[in-house]
Amino acid sequence: DAGVTQSPTHLIKTRGQQVTLRCSPKSGHDTVSWYQQALGQGPQFIFQYYEEEERQRGNFPDRFSGHQFPNYSSELNVNALLLGDSALYLCASILFVLGSYEQYFGPGTRLTVT
Amino acid sequence: KQEVTQIPAALSVPEGENLVLNCSFTDSAIYNLQWFRQDPGKGLTSLLLIQSSQREQTSGRLNASLDKSSGRSTLYIAASQPGDSATYLCAVDSTDKLIFGTGTRLQVFP
Repeated sequence: DAGVTQSPTHLIKTRGQQVTLRCSPKSGHDTVSWYQQALGQGPQFIFQYYEEEERQRGNFPDRFSGHQFPNYSSELNVNALLLGDSALYLCASILFVLGSYEQYFGPGTRLTVT
Repeated sequence: KQEVTQIPAALSVPEGENLVLNCSFTDSAIYNLQWFRQDPGKGLTSLLLIQSSQREQTSGRLNASLDKSSGRSTLYIAASQPGDSATYLCAVDSTDKLIFGTGTRLQVFP
């Protein structure tokens, strides 16, 4: 059983461009959360998707948007890239079970904006 | 607003020492608290999850405690090894999203 996968592994973009990052959750997990981790910082919550809808959102501008597909995989889109968007983007795959949950993180996508 | 703080920010110790990493949070209304390990440039590996109703969890040489009323958790690592070198992150779950601290960077030298 494959764990959480993310693609691409690394990405270099120029300021002003747009980027799409992808996440495939662990089999059976129906909820996906995205986090941004700047160098030397802890991850920050961007948003969470469940049943193809955004269920929660952190303090990120509208340039950050997402999507969840019927197979539960998810995309994170960032428009009008800024230098400050350079970070490791982590996807977390979640299954809620009887008041608790299982959660696994993917290896991340390293985005560099020049 | 929930804030999570980890002390110390960095730690360098010889192999074999017992270690204590500290985590504090400002809002005691949490579902659970988790400790993660992160190797350089990599994703997160969950080490221990403590439900809000629990006081501690143990896995091998790791033991994590939770005191919700005081907003504190500690991660105890027994008999540290060079392979324990990594960044350790504490995260609290208040509303199905994780709020992370900035981590403790641990180096264990032979």
